[in-house]
Amino acid sequence: EAGVTQFPSHSVIEKGQTVTLRCDPISGHDNLYWYRRVMGKEIKFLLHFVKESKQDESGMPNNRFLAERTGGTYSTLKVQPAELEDSGVYFCASSSDRSNYGYTFGSGTRLTVV
Amino acid sequence: GQSLEQPSEVTAVEGAIVQINCTYQTSGFYGLSWYQQHDGGAPTFLSYNALDGLEETGRFSSFLSRSDSYGYLLLQELQMKDSASYFCAVGGQGGKLIFGQGTELSVKP
Repeated sequence: EAGVTQFPSHSVIEKGQTVTLRCDPISGHDNLYWYRRVMGKEIKFLLHFVKESKQDESGMPNNRFLAERTGGTYSTLKVQPAELEDSGVYFCASSSDRSNYGYTFGSGTRLTVV
Repeated sequence: GQSLEQPSEVTAVEGAIVQINCTYQTSGFYGLSWYQQHDGGAPTFLSYNALDGLEETGRFSSFLSRSDSYGYLLLQELQMKDSASYFCAVGGQGGKLIFGQGTELSVKP
């Protein structure tokens, strides 16, 4: 089966601009998670979708971040306007069964805000 | 608060055995997972312990003691390709993962 796909792989934008990250989960996986790793720190949870519904968005940093999951398939994470501290690697993960916490991660989008 | 502690770096030689420890302090606990990440790549799931004891998968084993809030990942017969970052992660409510900062393992010839 195809893995979790994220694009772009890299994005460099100026402070104040808007960026949209996309994640295509494994087909049929109802659970989709977004995580972020800021340089040198731990990977932090952002939010969780079950199909098209937001199950938990407690990790979203602020209202400059907006996540959507159209029709329960792919998901987008928009940052508007971007700030310097938003730089990091954004990972998406999907799972059909969250009971064993064994998720398939994408390779991430490395976002640099300058 | 929630925190996980693991060593930042570990170095070992090819063929050796290495143990990466993880202690955690979390408000909810649904098991301990381990992930491997090679430079610039996707974190890859290695193992999950929901109950106390040892789980073995090939050269990798993972251990959990819930009473001690402690676990470890054991890598045997180390190979150069095992050089990577290893993350412990506590399972939280709803399926989310709370990660440690990662341990960078360097395997030397």
